[in-house]
Amino acid sequence: GAGVSQSPSNKVTEKGKDVELRCDPISGHTALYWYRQSLGQGLEFLIYFQGNSAPDKSGLPSDRFSAERTGGSVSTLTIQRTQQEDSAVYLCASNDRLNTEAFFGQGTRLTVV
Amino acid sequence: AQSVTQPDIHITVSEGASLELRCNYSYGATPYLFWYVQSPGQGLQLLLKYFSGDTLVQGIKGFEAEFKRSQSSFNLRKPSVHWSDAAEYFCAVGAEGSYIPTFGRGTSLIVHP
Repeated sequence: GAGVSQSPSNKVTEKGKDVELRCDPISGHTALYWYRQSLGQGLEFLIYFQGNSAPDKSGLPSDRFSAERTGGSVSTLTIQRTQQEDSAVYLCASNDRLNTEAFFGQGTRLTVV
Repeated sequence: AQSVTQPDIHITVSEGASLELRCNYSYGATPYLFWYVQSPGQGLQLLLKYFSGDTLVQGIKGFEAEFKRSQSSFNLRKPSVHWSDAAEYFCAVGAEGSYIPTFGRGTSLIVHP
């Protein structure tokens, strides 16, 4: 596609349930990022994938959070046993070279009730 | 590690007035600097970027920013604001060898008619 695509755009889930958020990066982009944007906060880095290298998971807030990237393209962010504090907009971005600008998707708004 | 400070949480201007949004960064070497804009319900769109060379960079939508190494700043400016500029603005810094952009908390721009 022409841009970064994220699905679903909105997700409401019950506390304690697991959720999966999907990101389709721009075709050919080797780097993929996940960020979290909480109300009134900036963007909090979660995880970074670059090609076939081991991902940088240093931003994941707890072991309930995990992410995969299959075939160097699509990525799935999984949150297990969701908590109310997980409510946020989850943004995915990709780029094709080190230290160039990242292109962002429109985000998934997650609400945990 | 690099960091970004956007000291103004909210800025209110009248339509047609000039605008300056402040951004200060912390990094020991020459940073890569970005300004993004986020309209309500949208992802982040790149306004402009600085990697090297001319310290005054021009971006889209009539925005410009000036890199001042001595002040560790990268302030965003626009000579005449339009109502459609109302949005959230994020400054970000990347660093040589550090592939994960760090974002500020954002500045919310309110434009009065």
